[in-house]
Amino acid sequence: DVVMTQSPLSLPVTLGQPASISCRSSQSLVYSDGNTYLSWFQQRPGQSPRRLIYKVSNRDSGVPDRFSGSGSGTDFTLKITRVEAEDVGIYYCMQGAHWPPWTFGQGTKVEIK
Amino acid sequence: EVQLVESGGGLVEPGGSLRLSCAASGFTFSSYSIHWVRQAPGKGLLWVSRINTDGTTPYYADSVKGRFTISRDNAKNTLYLQMNSLTAEDTAVYYCVRGTFDMWGRGTMVTVSS
Repeated sequence: DVVMTQSPLSLPVTLGQPASISCRSSQSLVYSDGNTYLSWFQQRPGQSPRRLIYKVSNRDSGVPDRFSGSGSGTDFTLKITRVEAEDVGIYYCMQGAHWPPWTFGQGTKVEIK
Repeated sequence: EVQLVESGGGLVEPGGSLRLSCAASGFTFSSYSIHWVRQAPGKGLLWVSRINTDGTTPYYADSVKGRFTISRDNAKNTLYLQMNSLTAEDTAVYYCVRGTFDMWGRGTMVTVSS
């Protein structure tokens, strides 16, 4: 199974400041079709997860442009340019290149300092 | 409105069974594979099972293989998860998730306890 490793696991951020979360996979996430299947999810307190980013860098509809995804192969990053109060929650990366199983990172808790 | 609504969760004793349902609306259910993902209290996300569009090809996490069965009724726009031989480790919120993980239900809580 592909192991997804996120860092940091806890990220205190000042409002208006940037934030960055790293996600590393134990194998390359490039699929046979040439796409890289790495997604990012946000889970606000008390809510279901919501997909923010798919295929490394594509934002879902309605996701603010302060969120961006980047990376390739086994190394990926989610960046928030200026953290707002509504961004508090847990962020997960997930791979969809080598399935089953689909595997998630441990989650990174973003909180306001 | 495009949505997935889970039901069927509850309290069950160890060794017991439960059947979860997921009702889809607002999109062509039969065109999408569907997953179950669970989240134990205070823990992360764990993929449980996935079924293809016509219900012929199920996949399971090792932790549930042989105990859980995923199925679907495209005429009723409904997904199911039959859970047998439940243990305390199965206690979690169970989410129904559309194929590419772009849509999640609100989840249904399953508690396994005596």
